[in-house]
Amino acid sequence: DTEVTQTPKHLVMGMTNKKSLKCEQHMGHRAMYWYKQKAKKPPELMFVYSYEKLSINESVPSRFSPECPNSSLLNLHLHALQPEDSALYLCASSQDRGQRPQHFGDGTRLSIL
Amino acid sequence: EDQVTQSPEALRLQEGESSSLNCSYTVSGLRGLFWYRQDPGKGPEFLFTLYSAGEEKEKERLKATLTKKESFLHITAPKPEDSATYLCAVHRVSYNTDKLIFGTGTRLQVFP
Repeated sequence: DTEVTQTPKHLVMGMTNKKSLKCEQHMGHRAMYWYKQKAKKPPELMFVYSYEKLSINESVPSRFSPECPNSSLLNLHLHALQPEDSALYLCASSQDRGQRPQHFGDGTRLSIL
Repeated sequence: EDQVTQSPEALRLQEGESSSLNCSYTVSGLRGLFWYRQDPGKGPEFLFTLYSAGEEKEKERLKATLTKKESFLHITAPKPEDSATYLCAVHRVSYNTDKLIFGTGTRLQVFP
């Protein structure tokens, strides 16, 4: 079982909906990440939080809005998404930024109608 | 340009038939190389970290090695449960960011 928990596992939403993805870890990690993964492609970095502060935004459209309420939680707020945003959204955490291994959750499968 | 290339794209093995997966990289500011296993519909599962040329790590039937230009994941006497996509990722540090750069993966199928 993964130590990074993501909810929901599946999400179907229309282009006008607002929804949120949630990620939780209790390993005491201080860096948390959001990735997007399309079918048969590798994960692509979206955002990095370090000590609850946003440190990297990989030029992600503003319809994706990350939030880190505390050191264990990471949210991704979704609004006005496009069909091409359908993908597996993965959360990961690591002890800190730097060359520490990242541990991934099992993701949220998002479908935009 | 930073690049991580994995080969082969797909590999079919008979149970017990040992083989190697390759990950070659051209990345400046390398700070570590990671191997992950990903099953369909799941997130990547961390396997190994390698930091310097000559380093080796082992776990059950898997052994990872690192040179200055590439890494190998050796699979000895594989079993059907080893079937998965194996991802290699390089941790790259530059002046304004640090991130994992993933290869496109090797899809391994092991048949009984």
